[in-house]
Order: sequence, then structure tokens, then C-alpha cells
Amino acid sequence: NAGVTQTPKFQVLKTGQSMTLQCAQDMNHNSMYWYRQDPGMGLRLIYYSASEGTTDKGEVPNGYNVSRLNKREFSLRLESAAPSQTSVYFCASSETPMNTEAFFGQGTRLTVV
Amino acid sequence: GENVEQHPSTLSVQEGDSAVIKCTYSDSASNYFPWYKQELGKGPQLIIDIRSNVGEKKDQRIAVTLNKTAKHFSLHITETQPEDSAVYFCAAIFSGYSTLTFGKGTMLLVSP
Repeated sequence: NAGVTQTPKFQVLKTGQSMTLQCAQDMNHNSMYWYRQDPGMGLRLIYYSASEGTTDKGEVPNGYNVSRLNKREFSLRLESAAPSQTSVYFCASSETPMNTEAFFGQGTRLTVV
Repeated sequence: GENVEQHPSTLSVQEGDSAVIKCTYSDSASNYFPWYKQELGKGPQLIIDIRSNVGEKKDQRIAVTLNKTAKHFSLHITETQPEDSAVYFCAAIFSGYSTLTFGKGTMLLVSP
């Protein structure tokens, strides 16, 4: 059982380049999330999808877009990468939006130079 | 706004000692308070959670206590082992929100 799978694991971008981070879960979960983790800042929510067909902004959405492609997949796009977006990105999923365990992927370490 | 304060940011203990991590929250919260453990190079993983109708919950060497009146909850690890070394995050869901707000994390180092 793979759980939550993120690709790629590592990426280096030049300022202004675009890229899409992919996430897929095989637990038939309704809700999916994208977080970023920076030193001393904990986990901050970028966007989430409470259920298939819906997406909502989190705490730090600027510079990002998301797509809930289907129930399994939730992608995060950086249209024009900036050095401030250097971070470790985590995708997570849960059965429902509230009061249930969230399962995290292994993370994507992104460096923007 | 909704906020979760976590202390300490780092904690060093000797193997066999107990470790306590505390979190406070600033606004009215919902009924769910989970704790996550993040090992180096991995994503966070749930280790224990507590709901507001319970004051304490224990799972082997790990326990969590909740005081809703004082708006704080704590993680207690007894008989610490080197494999307990990791970053621990507390979290909460606040009224009117449907997502977790995380504390900034505590790096626990257990020395043999």
C-alpha cells in the first residue's frame, strides 16, 4: 500500500521557471492538502481540496495554483518560481477534512536559484 | 487569528528520561488535537491524538493531556529511546475551519 506518493523528490529551478509537483493517494481519501515546511516555521498550508471538485486557499497561497485532477491526484503548480519558494513541500490526504488522521507524502525538496 | 504556540523548540534528554512538549492555542478550537512525529527526510506521521471530551490519552510510552479551559495540551514521552529522536508537531482544528493548524515543531534529541 503506497499511501501518498509525491514526485519529484528533488528539484532545482531557476527564477521565473515553472513546474508542477504531483501528488497521488491510493487510500480513497476525500481530502487532499499541500503544505510547505521552512526552518522554524513549521508546516504551513498552501491549498487544500476538501473533496473532489473543490479547492480552497490556505495560509500561504500566493504564487501557487492547484488542480484536483480526480479523487486520487492533487497537483501544485508554480507558474513563475521565486527564491522565496525554496522549501520542502508536502502533500497529505485524509478521509474527511476534519478530525481524522492526515497521511503525508515523503516531500519534495525544491530549490529556486 | 488562530495560532498554536509550541515549546520548547529543541529538547535534549538522556535515554530513559521523560520528555514533555507543550502547546497552547489562542482561539476557540474544535475537538481534535493530534501530534505528529517527523523523522529526518520523511513526512510527518500521526503518533497520537486527543478529542475534547477526553482529558488524557495514553498509548504505551506516549501520553497526551488536554486542558480546554487553559487552552493547552501536552505530549509526554516516558523512558525515551534514541529512536524517539525526531521533530514533533502539535496541531489543532479551530472552529469555523476545516484544516489543521500546526505548531512550529520541537526537535527532540535523545542521547544514549
